[in-house]
Amino acid sequence: AQSVTQLDSQVPVFEEAPVELRCNYSSSVSVYLFWYVQYPNQGLQLLLKYLSGSTLVESINGFEAEFNKSQTSFHLRKPSVHISDTAEYFCAVINPGGYNKLIFGAGTRLAVHP
Amino acid sequence: DGGITQSPKYLFRKEGQNVTLSCEQNLNHDAMYWYRQDPGQGLRLIYYSQIVNDFQKGDIAEGYSVSREKKESFPLTVTSAQKNPTAFYLCASSTPGLAGGSTDTQYFGPGTRLTVL
Repeated sequence: AQSVTQLDSQVPVFEEAPVELRCNYSSSVSVYLFWYVQYPNQGLQLLLKYLSGSTLVESINGFEAEFNKSQTSFHLRKPSVHISDTAEYFCAVINPGGYNKLIFGAGTRLAVHP
Repeated sequence: DGGITQSPKYLFRKEGQNVTLSCEQNLNHDAMYWYRQDPGQGLRLIYYSQIVNDFQKGDIAEGYSVSREKKESFPLTVTSAQKNPTAFYLCASSTPGLAGGSTDTQYFGPGTRLTVL
C-alpha cells in the first residue's frame, strides 16, 4: 500500500530564513504529488502539484518542490519565509488509474518566528 | 463565488446522538469526498462519491453514513456507532467522475469541528 512520510512534525524557523519541509513516499508505480497548506481552523488549499514534465514545480507565493524519483521524495522549499507562512503543510500522493484517492502525510507544522 | 461550503463551522453532540454535517459545492464537480482530520494524523478518507446516487466507503467508514441525491450536495451523518467522533471534518470535490484515473485537484471546504460532550 502507498504511504507518505513527512519527516518532521514541526519546523521552527526565523523570518527571512530558508526552509525545507521533507516528504517521502512509497510506491512502485507512477504517482502524482501534491503539497497542501492549512491555516488554523481552515480547510486545505493547494500549494503546488507535480503531474509530469519538469521535476521542479513552483507556487505563486515563492514555494517550490522538486520531484526526485530515485529518492522517492518531493521536498518543499522556500528561500525566505514570512510570518504569514506559519501553517500546517501536507504532502499527498495519488496513484494514477485509481479513483483519485489522495494519500496524505501526517503534516508538518511550520512556525515562523520574528 | 464558486467554492465549497460546510456547515456548521462548530458542532457539539451528546453521546448517543446522530448528527449531520452539510457539504455543498457550486463548482459543478462530479466527485465529492469526506475526510476526517485528527491531530498529528493527517487526513483519512471516510466516504467518496464519483457520481450522483453512488458512493463508496473509504478507509474509515464505520460509524458514518452519506447520501448523494444531488450533484451539489454530499451530507455526512455521524452516527452513535462512531465511538470517537470528536475531530475536524473536511469535505472536498473534484472534476472526475466514473471516467476515473484523474489527476484533477481536490478542492476543500473550510471544515466542521465536531465535539462530543
